[in-house]
Amino acid sequence: SQQGEEDPQALSIQEGENATMNCSYKTSINNLQWYRQNSGRGLVHLILIRSNEREKHSGRLRVTLDTSKKSSSLLITASRAADTASYFCATGSGGSYIPTFGRGTSLIVHP
Amino acid sequence: NAGVMQNPRHLVRRRGQEARLRCSPMKGHSHVYWYRQLPEEGLKFMVYLQKENIIDESGMPKERFSAEFPKEGPSILRIQQVVRGDSAAYFCASSPGGKRETQYFGPGTRLLVL
Repeated sequence: SQQGEEDPQALSIQEGENATMNCSYKTSINNLQWYRQNSGRGLVHLILIRSNEREKHSGRLRVTLDTSKKSSSLLITASRAADTASYFCATGSGGSYIPTFGRGTSLIVHP
Repeated sequence: NAGVMQNPRHLVRRRGQEARLRCSPMKGHSHVYWYRQLPEEGLKFMVYLQKENIIDESGMPKERFSAEFPKEGPSILRIQQVVRGDSAAYFCASSPGGKRETQYFGPGTRLLVL
């Protein structure tokens, strides 16, 4: 069964606006990762956040993790048309290094 | 340093034929993972291999699917007697030996079964 579930399924914004995507999961995790997938391409790793971390930044990306609510958010600030892609969260739990992917959020940034 | 390479990028097969998908991991990576993605879906784990060993094949269908990662050469995902339901994008990822949390993905092979 799916571990991570992204919300919303689709998001459409104007260039320059911020985009926030959420991921909820059901069981305890060791880490949570966010990936981007451009149409027809493979996944690109964005950020990994561990269960003992609350927030991480990378350029225009900010990821938060709330283990009490079993949720994470990905914030893209000052979005650009090139940010148009699908964004997936993937959880790692137990002793496994196999991440479990959600269905993704489709983000469209209009120029 | 070339990334993960997969070929072919697109593969068309008729029902009953065999499909062979190849994956060359990043240089220095000894762990390979195969995933399947159906339209509008996330990636579903299939199999995890190290050189000459299958570590975890819990996501592989019991029949028709097999994978290998020989000592020399790319990893191969083989689907025998393909059916229409096998149509999907198949992604390979690799990771370094000592740090397996972050995986680096290839561009995928899109399989279409007619």
